Amino acid sequence: DTGVSQDPRHKITKRGQNVTFRCDPISEHNRLYWYRQTLGQGPEFLTYFQNEAQLEKSRLLSDRFSAERPKGSFSTLEIQRTEQGDSAMYLCASSRGVENIQYFGAGTRLSVL
Amino acid sequence: AQKVTQAQTEISVVEKEDVTLDCVYETRDTTYYLFWYKQPPSGELVFLIRRNSFDEQNEISGRYSWNFQKSTSSFNFTITASQVVDSAVYFCALSDGNDMRFGAGTRLTVKP
Repeated sequence: DTGVSQDPRHKITKRGQNVTFRCDPISEHNRLYWYRQTLGQGPEFLTYFQNEAQLEKSRLLSDRFSAERPKGSFSTLEIQRTEQGDSAMYLCASSRGVENIQYFGAGTRLSVL
Repeated sequence: AQKVTQAQTEISVVEKEDVTLDCVYETRDTTYYLFWYKQPPSGELVFLIRRNSFDEQNEISGRYSWNFQKSTSSFNFTITASQVVDSAVYFCALSDGNDMRFGAGTRLTVKP
């Protein structure tokens, strides 16, 4: 399978705990994106990387959120001190920059109790 | 600021009917890209089409067709002879080449 892979698929945590999600992009894709999707809404952009550089962050990305993409391969998204409002589907996508077509993974569903 | 509006929250049709999903966008950019994605019940977003702002040609792919009109800032999507498998949430999206702004989606239900 050469698609975008996300792990875990589901995460249940207690309020105040830290969580980390991983995304493995399609291998030749240099751009990697993170989105958040809540029930009944479209995905909302959080941040994106071109290779290892984080080029843009949404205002939705509070200081409790941090994303990394060491070596320009996989990426991690960490949420510290989770809140119930963080409950959502976290989607990762990747693209070859020049084509600008983003291919999405299946997402990580986070439930904060 | 970029904005995408999908005014139809839910549409229900009977199999074999044609259905059009509306998308209206706002942007100040002269170069931009428009997309449609399908999100079936399994949840994974599936890419359907990309259009750049300089290409207003309509496109047909099987039962799917897209009508891009810059004059009305619209990028509508038509499914001809709908099938039950077309049931999904469909998202229109707008990109400046970096981030992507999605509409709220239209839930299409095709009944047998």
